[in-house]
Amino acid sequence: DQQVKQNSPSLSVQEGRISILNCDYTNSMFDYFLWYKKYPAEGPTFLISISSIKDKNEDGRFTVFLNKSAKHLSLHIVPSQPGDSAVYFCAASGTGTASKLTFGTGTRLQVTL
Amino acid sequence: NAGVTQTPKFQVLKTGQSMTLQCAQDMNHNSMYWYRQDPGMGLRLIYYSASEGTTDKGEVPNGYNVSRLNKREFSLRLESAAPSQTSVYFCASSEALRTGLAGGWTKNIQYFGAGTRLSVL
Repeated sequence: DQQVKQNSPSLSVQEGRISILNCDYTNSMFDYFLWYKKYPAEGPTFLISISSIKDKNEDGRFTVFLNKSAKHLSLHIVPSQPGDSAVYFCAASGTGTASKLTFGTGTRLQVTL
Repeated sequence: NAGVTQTPKFQVLKTGQSMTLQCAQDMNHNSMYWYRQDPGMGLRLIYYSASEGTTDKGEVPNGYNVSRLNKREFSLRLESAAPSQTSVYFCASSEALRTGLAGGWTKNIQYFGAGTRLSVL
């Protein structure tokens, strides 16, 4: 039972345009969400997070939006750059689950010139 | 500041062999984790250690054992490797247990090592 779902395995965007990566979750106990970025042969690196008490969090070119009623979050990258080409994982944690994260299956973003 | 260091980076085993994956962090984090990543499966938690002296099973613990040697080190052992354990293994650490919304929660980010690529033939 996949509690965190990233339904798009891949996404291709032109340099300078907006990249939108989506994530859905089913567990209503999740209240903290994170995005990680992963390059080949490297470990995931933290990108941005949001708690359920907010609906938006922004950090430079990266913005995460949370829609609790729809159990949906999205990561917006504006403008997209070739160095953003990587696999992006959505992750979630909930109260009472210690620090355990549940990850989605990832979306591979390719930013083309 | 090295962060989270995993050794070895690559390993090939024969079915039935045993090995230990090592992980060390220098961020003075309390919690440490072991994940495996398989194609199309994302990262799945094998075991975690909320604090020194404690370990708990994650989503896919079968065939693995762990040891939290001290605050810095958390090892993963495969006693009798099987081809189904061919995967990329990641170790991670985080500062502390989160407290939850009721008590105010900590932004508990996990930091990952570079991974160990294991093939079991």
